[in-house]
Amino acid sequence: RKEVEQDPGPFNVPEGATVAFNCTYSNSASQSFFWYRQDCRKEPKLLMSVYSSGNEDGRFTAQLNRASQYISLLIRDSKLSDSATYLCVVNKKDSSYKLIFGSGTRLLVRP
Amino acid sequence: NAGVTQTPKFQVLKTGQSMTLQCAQDMNHEYMSWYRQDPGMGLRLIHYSVGAGITDQGEVPNGYNVSRSTTEDFPLRLLSAAPSQTSVYFCASTQLETQYFGPGTRLLVL
Repeated sequence: RKEVEQDPGPFNVPEGATVAFNCTYSNSASQSFFWYRQDCRKEPKLLMSVYSSGNEDGRFTAQLNRASQYISLLIRDSKLSDSATYLCVVNKKDSSYKLIFGSGTRLLVRP
Repeated sequence: NAGVTQTPKFQVLKTGQSMTLQCAQDMNHEYMSWYRQDPGMGLRLIHYSVGAGITDQGEVPNGYNVSRSTTEDFPLRLLSAAPSQTSVYFCASTQLETQYFGPGTRLLVL
């Protein structure tokens, strides 16, 4: 079983749609959680950290469910520019700096 | 601020050749790491360093060496390239759990 699992997609949605991605992780001792965004043939970039209480950044909302060991990302009012791969990232229990990356969920937003 | 830079952008090697992938950062971050990204696999940690003179192995270290003589530079050496090392390589530096990635090196081993 992979340490971080994501639905690879692609999710194909029209502009303006709301789309949600889920991610599950296997290490119950993980303390830090993130969503990274990766555009085609580019490097990953931090989208947002995920906090226990849930957090929002504009059209993006991240939630953490420690009991079920899953993380979610909700994107409201999708834009064409949201088309990218979204990587779920969790830290390893023995180091806050060592991260485990999911293989990513691809989002395509169509006009 | 250039952030994290990597050279070369692309490289083609023959099996058995050696090469060094360069990585540099100008943010004075202590923690740096190397990943490889393969289709369907996510990024996997090869080696990392918590400061100059200190390196350690990640998840997939075999076939790679690193050194960290300065805070700024963290080169990755392929000792004897194999087709299984065909991949995209990303270098990253970290501050407060945020990883800043370089633009990547695409490596093809024939």
